[in-house]
Order: sequence, then structure tokens, then C-alpha cells
Amino acid sequence: EDQVTQSPEALRLQEGESSSLNCSYTVSGLRGLFWYRQDPGKGPEFLFTLYSAGEEKEKERLKATLTKKESFLHITAPKPEDSATYLCAVQGKTSYDKVIFGPGTSLSVIP
Amino acid sequence: SAVISQKPSRDICQRGTSLTIQCQVDSQVTMMFWYRQQPGQSLTLIATANQGSEATYESGFVIDKFPISRPNLTFSTLTVSNMSPEDSSIYLCSVAGGGSETYEQYFGPGTRLTVT
Repeated sequence: EDQVTQSPEALRLQEGESSSLNCSYTVSGLRGLFWYRQDPGKGPEFLFTLYSAGEEKEKERLKATLTKKESFLHITAPKPEDSATYLCAVQGKTSYDKVIFGPGTSLSVIP
Repeated sequence: SAVISQKPSRDICQRGTSLTIQCQVDSQVTMMFWYRQQPGQSLTLIATANQGSEATYESGFVIDKFPISRPNLTFSTLTVSNMSPEDSSIYLCSVAGGGSETYEQYFGPGTRLTVT
């Protein structure tokens, strides 16, 4: 059964203090791994899709990387506006192509 | 990316009643999905809304409780029927498409439902 876990559950950083969020997954053939950002009271906002091990994508202070078992979301010199919940999701190569979401990491960046 | 709106944005309902949530997209899309997000939890897929045919429901969700309509490629509704307090949640619609095999999804703002 496809599964996604994320760690840590919550993370508090000082402004400028770089760190990484982890997404571990089990899937029968990966079609894509997705990262989303969700602000309180809003729907998730799409950030990245990663397709194969070794791939990296960047957007401003965020960089997502992918291995065969996990993905990392690196946050460089975060600012308070980066505070949000970050969700990881995977889509396997099954006939149904269902997307499974992880539980999320709640990030707080303190000024 | 598509712009998605949902109505209502929030509602407080009495148990035993039903609520219909609307999802409108500003462009034609292939795939539309309905999710539930309970407080402090991640997203759980309720069903895929299929245009012109019955929705495809996930395990634990049934058509009698969550009937879905998708009359065209820009609109869908989800009804939460015979509500109980356990149905209190945020309901989100999302869209994906463009002929891609990967479902990069774009979400609406959500409908916050409280059942008393």
C-alpha cells in the first residue's frame, strides 16, 4: 500500500536559520512526488513536482530533492513569511493513479 | 494555473440536514477531486468527479452520503447528506489536467463546515 510520512511534525526556526523537511514514501512505481504549501484557512498551494531520483527543483528560498525513498525540502535563510504547513504527496504508477498526501510539517519562522 | 472558487466559504449546520458545496473553475479541466481535511489533519480524498458519469469514490466514502455532480468541465458540487458532528471538517475541491499523467493539483480555498 502506498504510504507517505513526514518529519518533523513541527519545526520552529529563527529567521535566517536554514533547515530541511523530510518526506519518506513507499509507492509501487513513482509517477510523481509533489510539494505543497498550506497557509491557515486556505487550500494547499502547489510548489514542485519531482519525477525521478536525483532530480532537484528550486523556487526562491526553497529547494526540493528526491531519492528513491525520500524527498527533502531545504529552506535556506527562511523568513517569517515562509511560516506554513508543507505537505508532501506521491502518485504511483497504478491504474488508478491516486495521489496520497502526507501529514505535513508545520513550520514557524520566528523574527 | 486555474482559478478555483468554492461556495459557501463556511457554514454552520444542524445535524440531520444536508449542505451542497459548489466548485467553479475559470477554465475547462479534465480532473476534479473532492477532499476532506479534518482539524490538524492532512487531506483525505473523498472522490474523483467525472464529467458525464458517476463519481469514483474512495474506500470509506459512499454516494448516498456524499453525492457529487459534474455537469460540465468547469463546475462540480459535493453534497454532505444527513450530517452529524463527525462531518465537521474543511472540504476542498481541486483540479488537475492539461493532458499530463501527473496530477499537479490546484486547490480551491475550501469550505469550513461545522455541524452542531
